Amino acid sequence: GAVVSQHPSWVICKSGTSVKIECRSLDFQATTMFWYRQFPKQSLMLMATSNEGSKATYEQGVEKDKFLINHASLTLSTLTVTSAHPEDSSFYICSASGGGDLKNIQYFGAGTRLSVL
Amino acid sequence: RKEVEQDPGPFNVPEGATVAFNCTYSNSASQSFFWYRQDCRKEPKLLMSVYSSGNEDGRFTAQLNRASQYISLLIRDSKLSDSATYLCVVNSQAGTALIFGKGTTLSVSS
Repeated sequence: GAVVSQHPSWVICKSGTSVKIECRSLDFQATTMFWYRQFPKQSLMLMATSNEGSKATYEQGVEKDKFLINHASLTLSTLTVTSAHPEDSSFYICSASGGGDLKNIQYFGAGTRLSVL
Repeated sequence: RKEVEQDPGPFNVPEGATVAFNCTYSNSASQSFFWYRQDCRKEPKLLMSVYSSGNEDGRFTAQLNRASQYISLLIRDSKLSDSATYLCVVNSQAGTALIFGKGTTLSVSS
């Protein structure tokens, strides 16, 4: 099946620093990528939807200036957590869907566990 | 009302047991339905899609009742390796984001 690579898998950083997370579709072109966040014992919550070449659409309550999303190519989307604080510590997961027959299937990256000290 | 609701459990069952999970969704325009499995500290993985006619994959059977906006998952002959959190997932339109339930935790013991 299609593979989505997410990097890094684990980040520990100091409060105030910025962290970039990459999501790559390895063997298909992802017209749409999604970024989710999951707190312990909670469900995955959609943060934003990014389409290649256009601005991301953010969910209500998600600060676009804090969570910068760039989807510059059909195989790469990045999420940058700017000026991270301890409350941003969470499990961040991306998913990607392609066009055509792949449009209704989403493939998930392995997730990035962010710990902000 | 939450978009997708599940009984969080946990369900603690012995090996070989049959266990059923239920899920309800609020958006009647939802078009696609799935069960995902998530292991601790890992990403969700697709277990199976759910079709109106019901579908089976080995020991797993999924049912959908659109009129009641209800989805179920039945696991027969539980294995230790089935221990995980099972996520009920709904999609309103192809190419849009998935809506996840909170998950039901299953623990199978020997």
